[in-house]
Amino acid sequence: QVQLVESGGRVVKPGRSLRLSCVTSGFSFANYAIHWIRQAPGKGLEWVAVMSYDETEAYYADSVKGRFTTSRDSALDTSFLQMNNLRVEDTATYYCARDTTFGVISLPNYWGRGIPVTVS
Amino acid sequence: HFELTQPPSVSAAPGQKVAISCSGSDSTFASGSVSWYQQVPGAAPKLIIFDNNKRASGFPARFSGSKSGPSASLAISGLQTGDEADYYCATWDSRLNLVVFGGGTLLTVL
Repeated sequence: QVQLVESGGRVVKPGRSLRLSCVTSGFSFANYAIHWIRQAPGKGLEWVAVMSYDETEAYYADSVKGRFTTSRDSALDTSFLQMNNLRVEDTATYYCARDTTFGVISLPNYWGRGIPVTVS
Repeated sequence: HFELTQPPSVSAAPGQKVAISCSGSDSTFASGSVSWYQQVPGAAPKLIIFDNNKRASGFPARFSGSKSGPSASLAISGLQTGDEADYYCATWDSRLNLVVFGGGTLLTVL
């Protein structure tokens, strides 16, 4: 079955960097876009970023543009979220999610369990 | 970017039917498609509905979605206590190339 497992979350100080990983299995990673979504404690869902299946497109929320970068490694079936210059307001549980649609960017379908990131 | 508006909370008795609305004022939403997600407390979100009205695997026919222009709706019939969760709508903003989530609706089954 489709699985996504996030890792790399921890407590970091403001201004520092962190890289999250999302290891996937159960589907053809090379054919689907991967999204990153976060949820601050007690708040709703906030979309963060997406990278297309072929790495030709990457889009970001305004709140992270210029600080966060998403990438992917098809040899490892893994997506990454590089987070630089972290702020207190980046504190959240971060989810990676596989897109719904083969070959294009649309909306998230399968989600990982999430990984907490605390900036303090 | 535009916003998707959901009611903060809805409630109904077991066995009853409830509808959760999701409205957006932008023309890109009116012409786009909507997905719905269920998030049970302490768990990751799960896709319930995609492309406005297609049900994801694992969800029974009690869950249905619809969309007409700038308004979308998730209906849940035969409510069960296990349906208590936060529900989010989402759409792809094709002008700005980003995903927009609604603020979420807490469903309470009384």
